[in-house]
Amino acid sequence: NAGVTQTPKFRVLKTGQSMTLLCAQDMNHEYMYWYRQDPGMGLRLIHYSVGEGTTAKGEVPDGYNVSRLKKQNFLLGLESAAPSQTSVYFCASSYPLRGADTQYFGPGTRLTVL
Amino acid sequence: EDQVTQSPEALRLQEGESSSLNCSYTVSGLRGLFWYRQDPGKGPEFLFTLYSAGEEKEKERLKATLTKKESFLHITAPKPEDSATYLCAVQAVWNNNDMRFGAGTRLTVKP
Repeated sequence: NAGVTQTPKFRVLKTGQSMTLLCAQDMNHEYMYWYRQDPGMGLRLIHYSVGEGTTAKGEVPDGYNVSRLKKQNFLLGLESAAPSQTSVYFCASSYPLRGADTQYFGPGTRLTVL
Repeated sequence: EDQVTQSPEALRLQEGESSSLNCSYTVSGLRGLFWYRQDPGKGPEFLFTLYSAGEEKEKERLKATLTKKESFLHITAPKPEDSATYLCAVQAVWNNNDMRFGAGTRLTVKP
C-alpha cells in the first residue's frame, strides 16, 4: 500500500496563476482532507470530503476549491494564486469509526507564490 | 472555539534525559486527542489516540496520558532518532471532520 500520495512535491507559481494539487489514497477511506501548514501555526483545515461527490468547507476555505469525483482522489485547486497561499499543503484520509477518526497524512506539497 | 496549545515550542535534550511535552486543550466535548510525529519535510505520522481522561498509551520510549484539560507525551531515555516535531490535535464530539492542531513542539535530542 502506498497510503496517501500527493503530486506535485514542489511548485512555484506567479501571482494570479492557477494550479491543481492531486491527492490519492489506496486505503479505501471514505473521508479525505486538505490542510495547510504555516510556520508557528498548527495545521489548518481548508476543505474536506465525506464521500465521493461531496465536499465541505473547513476553517480556511477562501481562495481554494476542491473536487472528489472518485473515492480515491481529492483535488485542491487555486484559481488565482496569491502570496498568502505560500504554504505546505497536506492531504489526509480517514475511515469513519464510532470513535475518533484517525487521519493518515501524505508527504506534502510545498507551494511558493511569487 | 476549540483550541490546542502546545508547550514548550522547542526542547533540547541530551540522549537519555527524560522529559515531557504538554498539550493543553479546550473543546466542547472531546471525541479524541491525537499525537503525531512530524519529521522535517514529511507529513505527520500517527502515534496515539486517547479518548477519555485517565487513559494512557505507550509505544517504545513514548507514553501519552490524558486529563480533562491536557495531555502529556512523556519521552523516556530519548535517542537522537526521536528528534522531530510532535503535534497534538483534538477532535470534538459535534464535528468529527474537523481536527484542531497545536503548533507543535520541536524536540532535538543530542548524542
